[in-house]
Amino acid sequence: GAGVSQSPSNKVTEKGKDVELRCDPISGHTALYWYRQSLGQGLEFLIYFQGNSAPDKSGLPSDRFSAERTGGSVSTLTIQRTQQEDSAVYLCASSFGGLDDEQFFGPGTRLTVL
Amino acid sequence: KNEVEQSPQNLTAQEGEFITINCSYSVGISALHWLQQHPGGGIVSLFMLSSGKKKHGRLIATINIQEKHSSLHITASHPRDSAVYICAVNHNNDMRFGAGTRLTVKP
Repeated sequence: GAGVSQSPSNKVTEKGKDVELRCDPISGHTALYWYRQSLGQGLEFLIYFQGNSAPDKSGLPSDRFSAERTGGSVSTLTIQRTQQEDSAVYLCASSFGGLDDEQFFGPGTRLTVL
Repeated sequence: KNEVEQSPQNLTAQEGEFITINCSYSVGISALHWLQQHPGGGIVSLFMLSSGKKKHGRLIATINIQEKHSSLHITASHPRDSAVYICAVNHNNDMRFGAGTRLTVKP
């Protein structure tokens, strides 16, 4: 069966441009998570969607970051007016239940802001 | 001080050795996860624990809720176990991560 997929796998953009990162979770998973891993750094929790509930956005690094999940499936993470410090690997994961359930990770999108 | 502390930061072992990686946390949690990140970057969930002990193949994970401590053990280690092992906790629906333990198993 298909796992979590993310696109694009790599994205190079210029400072100031907007980018959209996409995540397709495993079919039937109600929870979806976004994480960020900067070079040489640990994982950072950005946001998670549980079913149809409104997500807690407090983990997003700034108001330039937004995320949505349409129809309880595909999610997009949008970064507006990208900055060099946004360069990182953005990881998506999904699970049947919430944060106390096993998470399945996608391969990540490597974002480079020049 | 980080809310989730892992030790050691780096660990080198010979093939066949018994490995222990430790995780201590300072916040209330509902669950603790052990993750494995291979050199290529992919992350795999190894265990999710809320109490007691779990075993999967050569991997064993334990948690002591009262002491706020968890350990990940690898028996009969193999070079393919070389990876970064990450401890993560769910604190009020907010995931907090340790810095990871880089394990290298030499043949």
